[in-house]
Amino acid sequence: DIQLTQSPTSLSASVGESVTITCRASQSISNFVSWYQQSPGKAPKLLIYAASTLQSGAPSRFSGSGSGTHFTLTVSSLQPEDSATYYCQQSYNTLITFGQGTRLEIK
Amino acid sequence: QVQLEESGGGVVQPGRSLRLSCAASGFTFSFYAMHWVRQAPGQGLEWMALISSDGFRSNYADFVRGRFTISRDNSKNTLYLQMSSLRHDDTAVYFCARDTGAAPGAFDLWGQGTMLAVSS
Repeated sequence: DIQLTQSPTSLSASVGESVTITCRASQSISNFVSWYQQSPGKAPKLLIYAASTLQSGAPSRFSGSGSGTHFTLTVSSLQPEDSATYYCQQSYNTLITFGQGTRLEIK
Repeated sequence: QVQLEESGGGVVQPGRSLRLSCAASGFTFSFYAMHWVRQAPGQGLEWMALISSDGFRSNYADFVRGRFTISRDNSKNTLYLQMSSLRHDDTAVYFCARDTGAAPGAFDLWGQGTMLAVSS
């Protein structure tokens, strides 16, 4: 299986700041990466697919980049509602896997 | 309203079987591949299984292959997960999710989840 490793595991930032979450794959996965946001007790929401395409309805302050084995999710101009756990996911093959998650706290 | 709604969770004893359902509404269910994803308490997301839009192809994560079966009934707009030989570590919230199709493997619609507790 393809392993995804996210870093950091958790982070804290203030409203208005920007943060970047990294996702590294154990092998090259082209751009078959999606990013999700999950608030406590809620279902995940798709933010980014194909590494850099913003999902319809997702705020434009979310952006993704990368290819191969290194991917990033950047959240610009943080808002209080961005407090959540973020997951990367690969779909390079039909054995889909998720990263372990990154918890973002808004101070 | 475009939505997915899971049902069938609850408390079940180890070794027993259970079937989860996911009812789709507001979109043409038969156009989309579907997935099951689970989340153990306090843990991350774990992909489990997918099924093609026509139901003829499926694939499973290694940890459920042979114990769980994904299926669908397009005439009823419903996705299923048949689970057998349940274990304590199957305790989790189970989500069904829709594949975007445009970006295979990206899940653009999720249900609210159904909780399963495996306990004696």
